[in-house]
Amino acid sequence: DTGVSQNPRHKITKRGQNVTFRCDPISEHNRLYWYRQTLGQGPEFLTYFQNEAQLEKSRLLSDRFSAERPKGSFSTLEIQRTEQGDSAMYLCASSPPGTFTNYGYTFGSGTRLTVV
Amino acid sequence: AQSVAQPEDQVNVAEGNPLTVKCTYSVSGNPYLFWYVQYPNRGLQFLLKYITGDNLVKGSYGFEAEFNKSQTSFHLKKPSALVSDSALYFCAVRDSGAHTGTASKLTFGTGTRLQVTL
Repeated sequence: DTGVSQNPRHKITKRGQNVTFRCDPISEHNRLYWYRQTLGQGPEFLTYFQNEAQLEKSRLLSDRFSAERPKGSFSTLEIQRTEQGDSAMYLCASSPPGTFTNYGYTFGSGTRLTVV
Repeated sequence: AQSVAQPEDQVNVAEGNPLTVKCTYSVSGNPYLFWYVQYPNRGLQFLLKYITGDNLVKGSYGFEAEFNKSQTSFHLKKPSALVSDSALYFCAVRDSGAHTGTASKLTFGTGTRLQVTL
């Protein structure tokens, strides 16, 4: 296992189209996080899964955004009816099990979305 | 709510000189503190963390950070900067979760761009 994998690396889409991103975490990590990073800003939390359960969602995650982790392994993040403001780097991270885990999260390289 | 402040947008230092990148935090419980580095068009790479124990934490690539509870700070330091250290650095915090019993999200600062010149 070489780390957290995100696909695609880049996505250009027209406004109003739907897009889906995929994240494959480190295999033994049961926790998975999605973050969004816009230019000049730090990553902002979007949502968090523990196994297949989505335990927390940010207010940033509007109704147009949906995330799934159906079998507790890979996750998908879908954006419907994309807007130009959705243009950002979407980062996925994973961390191992443990109630008070003290590990730094492992991040993927991200998917850069450009909405034109 | 937890938060992180990185007061400097950019830090400039000459190669071979010591560097400091500042970070202050706010959490309701005990903090877990992290530093990450980001190179252009890449994800974040873990540098070091403070969970408990010694206030001086050593990490990757010769970086270290000092936890100061009274000042709620976790400044990143390196005794001798390299040009290859030039990148975007993020400080992050999460609550230990002791009062909730669950792991919680990382909250990041806005980042500090480190520029090391010859």
